[in-house]
Amino acid sequence: DIVMTQTPLSLSVTPGQPASMSCKSSQSLRHRDGKTYLYWYLQKPGQSPQLLVYEVSSRFSGVPDRFSGSGSGTDFTLKISRVEAEDVGVYYCMQGLQLPGTFGQGTKLEMK
Amino acid sequence: QVQLQESGPGLVKPLETLSLTCTVSGVSLTSGGFYWTWIRQHPGSGLEYIGSIFDSGSTYYNPSLKSLVDISLDTSRNQFSLRLTSVTAADTAVYYCARGGGYDSANIFRGRFFLDYWGQGTLVTVSS
Repeated sequence: DIVMTQTPLSLSVTPGQPASMSCKSSQSLRHRDGKTYLYWYLQKPGQSPQLLVYEVSSRFSGVPDRFSGSGSGTDFTLKISRVEAEDVGVYYCMQGLQLPGTFGQGTKLEMK
Repeated sequence: QVQLQESGPGLVKPLETLSLTCTVSGVSLTSGGFYWTWIRQHPGSGLEYIGSIFDSGSTYYNPSLKSLVDISLDTSRNQFSLRLTSVTAADTAVYYCARGGGYDSANIFRGRFFLDYWGQGTLVTVSS
């Protein structure tokens, strides 16, 4: 299985400030079709996960543009330009290149 | 509006079978190239992919669970189900159903793990 490693495991940010988190995969997530199957999901407290970003950098419908994904190969980053209170929760990266899909252990974002 | 809702017993005895159903509304299970998926989350822990069933009925199960898992479709009720046999305390988790795959506006496949709709999750505890 592809192992996904996220850092940091927790992040405390002042509202209005930026936040950044990293995800590394144990092998390249680039498919021969040219796409890189890396997803970001946010699980808000008491809720099910929700899709934020797909294929490294494409925001899902309705996701604010303060969220941006980047990276290639095995190294990926999710950035929030200005954190808002509603962004609190656990952020998971997931690889969809190879079965079974595997998630990182999550980065917990809290407000200072 | 697409909605998914899990249902089933909240308590299962060790070595018995865990059975959950996901009722889907707003879209037909047999339309659009979707992967109907089960994912679980152990208490205070991360997410684990259990398996998927394609709209054709073909399945894929996480090899770590393969011999114990069965996912099926009931197209007449627009439901899909999860059965996990011989459960242990390690199977205590919140179980989510989700929709993956499908095609975008340019008719390009979005990827099996493009999980755009999720149920709210149901906690299953394995205990005698």
